[in-house]
Amino acid sequence: QVQLVQSGGGVVQPGRSLRLSCAASGFTFRDYPMHWVRQAPGKGLEWVAVISYDGSNTFYADSVKGRFTISRDNSKNTLYLQINGLKNEDRTVYYCARDSSRGGPLYVFDYWGQGALVTVSS
Amino acid sequence: DIQMTQSPSTLSASVGDRVTITCRASQSIRSWLAWYQQKPGKAPKLLIYEAANLESGVPSRFSGSGSGTEFTLTISSLQPDDSATYYCQQYYSYLYNFGQGTKLEIK
Repeated sequence: QVQLVQSGGGVVQPGRSLRLSCAASGFTFRDYPMHWVRQAPGKGLEWVAVISYDGSNTFYADSVKGRFTISRDNSKNTLYLQINGLKNEDRTVYYCARDSSRGGPLYVFDYWGQGALVTVSS
Repeated sequence: DIQMTQSPSTLSASVGDRVTITCRASQSIRSWLAWYQQKPGKAPKLLIYEAANLESGVPSRFSGSGSGTEFTLTISSLQPDDSATYYCQQYYSYLYNFGQGTKLEIK
């Protein structure tokens, strides 16, 4: 069965960096675009970034452009999100999610990781 | 940017009731709309895509309809397990954004 298992969340000081990971199994990872979606506690969902199935293309929400980097290692079936210069507003749960469409992204998210909470605190 | 507005924000209904949640887009998104269910502390779950297509494994009591700017999610006979927050999401264009959510409570 499809599984996305996340790791890398935690408490980080303002200004520091953090890398989130999402290990995929149960499907051919290299065939699917992958996304990150975030949710501040008690708030709604916000799409953050997408990476193409082969890692050659990335696209970001304006709100994170320049600070976040999405990447993937298809040999390890793992998706990453590097967050630089963490701010207090970055306290949120980050979800990895699989795009429902092989090939080009459709921006429909059919499988999700369990979420990773990032808390920014000095 | 396209704005997505859900109504109501909260809803309380009894087991067996027919429940409808509405999602409106600020401009036409054709049928590029998905619905998700999220329970507390859990990741969202895809229910409906392309406005009316039921995701595999989702109970048939869930259905979606609409096109253009107005969409509905209907639960034909509410079950206790349906207590959750429901989100619509447009995937017609960037921001690929979600509605603010509808919290459904069971009386």
